[in-house]
Amino acid sequence: AQSVTQPDIHITVSEGASLELRCNYSYGATPYLFWYVQSPGQGLQLLLKYFSGDTLVQGIKGFEAEFKRSQSSFNLRKPSVHWSDAAEYFCAVGAGGGGNKLTFGTGTQLKVEL
Amino acid sequence: KAGVTQTPRYLIKTRGQQVTLSCSPISGHRSVSWYQQTPGQGLQFLFEYFSETQRNKGNFPGRFSGRQFSNSRSEMNVSTLELGDSALYLCASSLEGHDTDTQYFGPGTRLTVL
Repeated sequence: AQSVTQPDIHITVSEGASLELRCNYSYGATPYLFWYVQSPGQGLQLLLKYFSGDTLVQGIKGFEAEFKRSQSSFNLRKPSVHWSDAAEYFCAVGAGGGGNKLTFGTGTQLKVEL
Repeated sequence: KAGVTQTPRYLIKTRGQQVTLSCSPISGHRSVSWYQQTPGQGLQFLFEYFSETQRNKGNFPGRFSGRQFSNSRSEMNVSTLELGDSALYLCASSLEGHDTDTQYFGPGTRLTVL
């Protein structure tokens, strides 16, 4: 069965600093990988996704992620964080075989210091 | 285009009662998935419906059930509520439920069981 690990429960960065959120996955075949963001009291919003092709994926709000098969990682990055980026970030892997079943990591809570 | 809507947004029930939550997908979307989000277990997949048929099911007891109507609207039902069922229930819709389809999440229904 697939699984996702987000090693950092909380991360604090200063506004304007760079950001990297870590995600490691376990899946036998080529994974379908996603990053979602959740603001307080809100549902999940998709930031970006990877299925195949270029391993560097661009998303919304200036985020990007790089798929590294050798490290089973799909880390999320942003060169300059804004205060509005404070939220919880979830990495997820698709099960494959159809059906849209996602397995999520435990999330990383991002705090941005002004 | 309107997003995924969920009703009600908040619900308070007592142990032993049953509850029905509703989800209206984005117009044209035929796949609806349900997830449970709790502080302890995180985001967990409940089930997915496509063309009025349950296509995928997570590891939840039979007290959790759902259905989908011909207009793709979906409901989930939880019978004999337990304290541990207190959670944010998220609904997500996608076009066809393929692995590569983006899932769009609603704001969730916050269920509190007393």
